[in-house]
Amino acid sequence: DQQVKQNSPSLSVQEGRISILNCDYTNSMFDYFLWYKKYPAEGPTFLISISSIKDKNEDGRFTVFLNKSAKHLSLHIVPSQPGDSAVYFCAASNRKLIFGQGTELSVKP
Amino acid sequence: NAGVMQNPRHLVRRRGQEARLRCSPMKGHSHVYWYRQLPEEGLKFMVYLQKENIIDESGMPKERFSAEFPKEGPSILRIQQVVRGDSAAYFCASSPGQGSTKNIQYFGAGTRLSVL
Repeated sequence: DQQVKQNSPSLSVQEGRISILNCDYTNSMFDYFLWYKKYPAEGPTFLISISSIKDKNEDGRFTVFLNKSAKHLSLHIVPSQPGDSAVYFCAASNRKLIFGQGTELSVKP
Repeated sequence: NAGVMQNPRHLVRRRGQEARLRCSPMKGHSHVYWYRQLPEEGLKFMVYLQKENIIDESGMPKERFSAEFPKEGPSILRIQQVVRGDSAAYFCASSPGQGSTKNIQYFGAGTRLSVL
């Protein structure tokens, strides 16, 4: 039973444009959500998080939006840079993290 | 402030041998988590430990796998009698357990286990 889903395995955007990565979850008891970035052969790197009591959190080029009624969150990266190319995982927290399958982002110069 | 340290980075074992994976959490962190990433899959939770206690082992296989986080020293994930299906990347994460960042887990670089 996949409680956290990232339905797009890959996304390609042009440098300077916006990247939007999506994530859906099924369990309304999750109270904290996180996004991680992962390069091959490295561990996940924490990017940004959001509590379920908020609907938006912003940190520099990264903004996370949470729509609790739709059980949906998204990560916006603007402007996108070639160095952003990586696999992005969303995760829901109930102490342990439950990860989506990941979306591979490719930012083309 | 060093991050989460895992060793070894790569581990090769033959079927039937034991694998020991070590994890030292970030300074000041008392909560440790282990995750496994099988080829072509996402990360899956295995076990959550605090010092000398297993808090949640709901993701651990019932046999051959064990974990500990002793009072002194690193956390250890132990796999006995390894099989080819154990080949994966094993990641450790730590969190402070309290404060404004209590829900954020910071990951190590992982140990890549290959079973021949």
